[in-house]
Amino acid sequence: DVKVTQSSRYLVKRTGEKVFLECVQDMDHENMFWYRQDPGLGLRLIYFSYDVKMKEKGDIPEGYSVSREKKERFSLILESASTNQTSMYLCATVIEEVQYFGPGTRLLVL
Amino acid sequence: QKEVEQNSGPLSVPEGAIASLNCTYSDRGSQSFFWYRQYSGKSPELIMSIYSNGDKEDGRFTAQLNKASQYVSLLIRDSQPSDSATYLCAVKPGAGSYQLTFGKGTKLSVIP
Repeated sequence: DVKVTQSSRYLVKRTGEKVFLECVQDMDHENMFWYRQDPGLGLRLIYFSYDVKMKEKGDIPEGYSVSREKKERFSLILESASTNQTSMYLCATVIEEVQYFGPGTRLLVL
Repeated sequence: QKEVEQNSGPLSVPEGAIASLNCTYSDRGSQSFFWYRQYSGKSPELIMSIYSNGDKEDGRFTAQLNKASQYVSLLIRDSQPSDSATYLCAVKPGAGSYQLTFGKGTKLSVIP
């Protein structure tokens, strides 16, 4: 079974704070993704990584950065959180072309 | 811009009926197609994948692909209230990329 874990299910932060969202997968997979999901807008790709220290921008990278120092861990960083970054954040990894998602982190920025 | 279109719904069907969910995509070179189910507040989970034209059946679920028409569908037979969820269609372009383009989802409601 694929296991993708995310550090928090719910998170409340203040505007301007630096926020770290962690994603860990346990199967040594190379490809990992960060999405955000908002009502009416669907899933939107923020960043993805296909190997350690490698990263590629997705469709909406503005206001975010990522870090992949180890293969199993892919971190999403909000440098200075803003209210429009309130959203559900989903991490995924790939096995044989199929993306498997973590449980998600619901972030509220006040 | 690669696009995946789905009716947002809600699609309401009575318990025991067949639910039909549809998806069209713009990238003619797409090769792999996926249906995910997402319960409210949860993350998407894979139901079906389909790669070649025709039908693929798995229990009560049947995925149908028509590459010429750029159309993929999901049929749910004997719909149950537990099938009430949002169904996401996802499309993968040709070889060399693991990115998916997702539709915005169709909300299905199965009425007991």
